[in-house]
Amino acid sequence: GENVEQHPSTLSVQEGDSAVIKCTYSDSASNYFPWYKQELGKRPQLIIDIRSNVGEKKDQRIAVTLNKTAKHFSLHITETQPEDSAVYFCAAFGGYGNNRLAFGKGNQVVVIP
Amino acid sequence: DAGVTQSPTHLIKTRGQQVTLRCSPKSGHDTVSWYQQALGQGPQFIFQYYEEEERQRGNFPDRFSGHQFPNYSSELNVNALLLGDSALYLCASSSQSLNGYTFGSGTRLTVV
Repeated sequence: GENVEQHPSTLSVQEGDSAVIKCTYSDSASNYFPWYKQELGKRPQLIIDIRSNVGEKKDQRIAVTLNKTAKHFSLHITETQPEDSAVYFCAAFGGYGNNRLAFGKGNQVVVIP
Repeated sequence: DAGVTQSPTHLIKTRGQQVTLRCSPKSGHDTVSWYQQALGQGPQFIFQYYEEEERQRGNFPDRFSGHQFPNYSSELNVNALLLGDSALYLCASSSQSLNGYTFGSGTRLTVV
């Protein structure tokens, strides 16, 4: 099955700086890659996603890039703010016949005011 | 409001007992997936229901079973509870094209 790895496990950044989280996946058939933000005690919230026919997608301060050849995708947060502090999960959808999202282990992002 | 509702929000059970968790998908969604999220971990796929059938299953024992009703709502049943079953159980609903894959607020299960 699909295996998603996420690095680094913890990331501390100064407010206003950029944060980048990288994920790799194993199944070349995967075609959908969402990113979730989870605050303590709350459900994962979809913040951005990308499909395999697109290389980059941006939504205000958040962007995701996808490299299908290398099988990795990254989340970029610019101009970080304290409210960006949370755990971020990447996930990959295994494609036709594999109807599940495989999640990475999560990345704790701490934005230092 | 994400539109996916789960009940109950919290539950405490004793080892060996059985539990049923419920999920109502977002309007317009016909597919329900269940995940287990242990503390400090990412969600782990349990199974997915579509057209009242289990379509795919993750690496969970037969103690975990489910059901989907004609109105697309779903239940997750866990028998013979173990301490290790303590986790946040998340339900996600979607359409077949994965548009709008959305999580509910989850049920926090504690087994004592």
